Amino acid sequence: EDQVTQSPEALRLQEGESSSLNCSYTVSGLRGLFWYRQDPGKGPEFLFTLYSAGEEKEKERLKATLTKKESFLHITAPKPEDSATYLCAVQAGGSEKLVFGKGTKLTVNP
Amino acid sequence: EPEVTQTPSHQVTQMGQEVILRCVPISNHLYFYWYRQILGQKVEFLVSFYNNEISEKSEIFDDQFSVERPDGSNFTLKIRSTKLEDSAMYFCASSKDRGWETQYFGPGTRLLVL
Repeated sequence: EDQVTQSPEALRLQEGESSSLNCSYTVSGLRGLFWYRQDPGKGPEFLFTLYSAGEEKEKERLKATLTKKESFLHITAPKPEDSATYLCAVQAGGSEKLVFGKGTKLTVNP
Repeated sequence: EPEVTQTPSHQVTQMGQEVILRCVPISNHLYFYWYRQILGQKVEFLVSFYNNEISEKSEIFDDQFSVERPDGSNFTLKIRSTKLEDSAMYFCASSKDRGWETQYFGPGTRLLVL
């Protein structure tokens, strides 16, 4: 069974304090790894797709990387508006479904 | 920027009642999905839909659930006889092509079954 584990469950940072979120996965035949941002009571908002080990994607203060077993979402000099739950999801094998982790709730204090 | 829209944003229903959740996917997308998120839990896949057929469904998607594309724009999820445990946030998503394309999510419908 495909599994996605995110750590930490919650992370509290000061504004400007860089850090990383982890997503480890156990799947058979990874086709894609997706990062989403979710604000309270809202739907997941797409951030990045990574397809192969070694791939990196960047958007503003966020950078996502992928290895054969895990992905990292690096947040550089975060701002309070980066506060949200960050979700990792994988697609594997011949399935179309996204398998999500529980997410990391990030709080950035001013 | 095109978005997935969902209605209603909130729905309260009595156990045993039928509910229909509606979605308008992004206009040039061909694949449609429903997911749900029970409060405090992971987002879970329910069903995918392409070319007017279910292409994949999860164990959660039993005979109480059905999906339909009644016209060229709407995509619906029907729960025939709601149970307390159906209370959740239901998200519609769409993608341009086969499932490994990025799936874009709507804002969700919060369903509360009393």
